[in-house]
Amino acid sequence: DVKVTQSSRYLVKRTGEKVFLECVQDMDHENMFWYRQDPGLGLRLIYFSYDVKMKEKGDIPEGYSVSREKKERFSLILESASTNQTSMYLCASSAPGQGPSGYGYTFGSGTRLTVV
Amino acid sequence: TQLLEQSPQFLSIQEGENLTVYCNSSSVFSSLQWYRQEPGEGPVLLVTVVTGGEVKKLKRLTFQFGDARKDSSLHITAAQPGDTGLYLCAAASGSARQLTFGSGTQLTVLP
Repeated sequence: DVKVTQSSRYLVKRTGEKVFLECVQDMDHENMFWYRQDPGLGLRLIYFSYDVKMKEKGDIPEGYSVSREKKERFSLILESASTNQTSMYLCASSAPGQGPSGYGYTFGSGTRLTVV
Repeated sequence: TQLLEQSPQFLSIQEGENLTVYCNSSSVFSSLQWYRQEPGEGPVLLVTVVTGGEVKKLKRLTFQFGDARKDSSLHITAAQPGDTGLYLCAAASGSARQLTFGSGTQLTVLP
């Protein structure tokens, strides 16, 4: 069964800490994405990557960075965690060529991050 | 960034009732997808629609893409408690590989 695995389901961090959220997919997908999900705001795109060592900013990249050293792994980094970064973080992947007629994203189960 | 508006935001119905959820935008989409998300899990893809006017059925779920490719609807017939979840529409424009998501419709089906 193909999957996207996020390293932690729940995480509690202190303000100012550097936080790493890891995501691994086993489908050999080129495209990987990080979203955050907040009530009433839907899913908002933070960063995405179409290839190893490639990254592009999404709609809300401020306060975040990413790393993609290997095709299967896409890491989200909170450089200095703040309370307004408390959220559900979702990683997703999709295969190459999944444009207008694509098969959609496969999501991980999410990491619920609380910054105190 | 295109804006996707979903309605209603919340919906609570009895088992056996029918319902329709809407996804609207002022932009034209190249494709639109519907996902369902259960508590504590990531969204799971239900369907992708590409052609204006397209209708797809998945058991008791019927998905329709508007003729102008600006809107979509999800109709559930004879809803069951297992249909409970957050329904999200998501759209891509042009050749973009990233999706924009609506804010979702939280559906609760009471037994």
